[in-house]
Formats: sequence, structure tokens, C-alpha cells
Amino acid sequence: AQSVAQPEDQVNVAEGNPLTVKCTYSVSGNPYLFWYVQYPNRGLQFLLKYITGDNLVKGSYGFEAEFNKSQTSFHLKKPSALVSDSALYFCAVRGDTGRRALTFGSGTRLQVQP
Amino acid sequence: ETGVTQTPRHLVMGMTNKKSLKCEQHLGHNAMYWYKQSAKKPLELMFVYSLEERVENNSVPSRFSPECPNSSHLFLHLHTLQPEDSALYLCASSQDTGGYGYTFGSGTRLTVV
Repeated sequence: AQSVAQPEDQVNVAEGNPLTVKCTYSVSGNPYLFWYVQYPNRGLQFLLKYITGDNLVKGSYGFEAEFNKSQTSFHLKKPSALVSDSALYFCAVRGDTGRRALTFGSGTRLQVQP
Repeated sequence: ETGVTQTPRHLVMGMTNKKSLKCEQHLGHNAMYWYKQSAKKPLELMFVYSLEERVENNSVPSRFSPECPNSSHLFLHLHTLQPEDSALYLCASSQDTGGYGYTFGSGTRLTVV
């Protein structure tokens, strides 16, 4: 079975500081990993993905994520947070074999204070 | 607009009502999904339709029944729901050939009274 853990319900960071939102996963085979963001009263929007290749993946709005196979992690990062980054962030995974549907974590609320 | 349209945006229904949620995509995707989003819980996969498989989450109650008449349209029929079914129901689509993420609709906020 595949699973995703986002250990923090909420992350608070001051504007201009770096941010990290944590994600660990469990999956059979090689992982396909994704980050999505959700603003109030909206669906989820794609941020970035890791399929293969370079462990550091760059995505939308200045976000990046680092794939660490030994730690089965895919943490989301941004060097300098903006107030407008405040939203709900979801990590998701699927394996390259077996079940094709994505499994999502429970989400982490990012609050960036001015 | 993301290319995936869900209607209605909001729905309030009594426990004895029958209603349907609609999802439509014109992205040329060949897989569509229903997810349930409840506060502080992982998104729960309810149903998947694709060219290669139809998957149902066995934990989804029979009061939810999906219908996928073609690759562009997906419905979720609701009947005799319970208050705990109140949630945001999200539709998504993808190109079901590995490595592609989903495009989500804005969701239907369902309240069961």
C-alpha cells in the first residue's frame, strides 16, 4: 500500500525567511512525487513533481522540493516566503507500478506572517 | 479556470434527498477521479475511471454511486446521505500514462442537514 505523511498540521514562518514543509512517503517501486497547493474555496493546484533525474526539482512560484530516496522524503522548500504563499499544501505519491491513483497526505497549512 | 469544471459549487441537501454532482473536462485526459476532502484528513480517493481500470474504494458507502458516460464527464450520485458526508468533493482528471499529475476542479461544498 502507498501512503504519505505530512507530520505538521501547520507551519508558521515570517515573510522573507526560508520555509520547509515536510513530506515522507511509502510506495512500491519507484515513486512519482507531487506537491499541490490549495487556496480557500478552490481546488488543488499543481506546484511541482519528481519523476526521475535530478533530486532537486523546481516548480511554480519559486518553490522547489528535494527528493531523498534513503529517507523516503520529498520536502517542499522556498528560500524566501511571501505572505501570499499562505495556503494549504498537499504532498502526493504513486508508484511506477500497481495502483495508478495518487495518494495524498493530510495537508500542511502554511502561515506566513508579515 | 483549470479546464475541469464542477457543478454545483455549493449544495445543501436533506438526508432523504437525491442529488448529483457533475464534473466535466475538455483537456483530452483519459482518467477522472472523485476525492473527498474533510478537514485535517488526507484526501480520500473515492472512485477512479480510466481506459484501463475502474477502481472503487471499498470503504465508500453505497449511498455514493459514480457514473462516467464518457471520458469527458463524471457524475457522483448521492442518496440518503448522512451529516458526516458533509465535505468538499473534488473532481480531477489526468492523462493516465504515468508521471502525470492531476488537474483539479474547484470542488463542490456539500452540506447534509
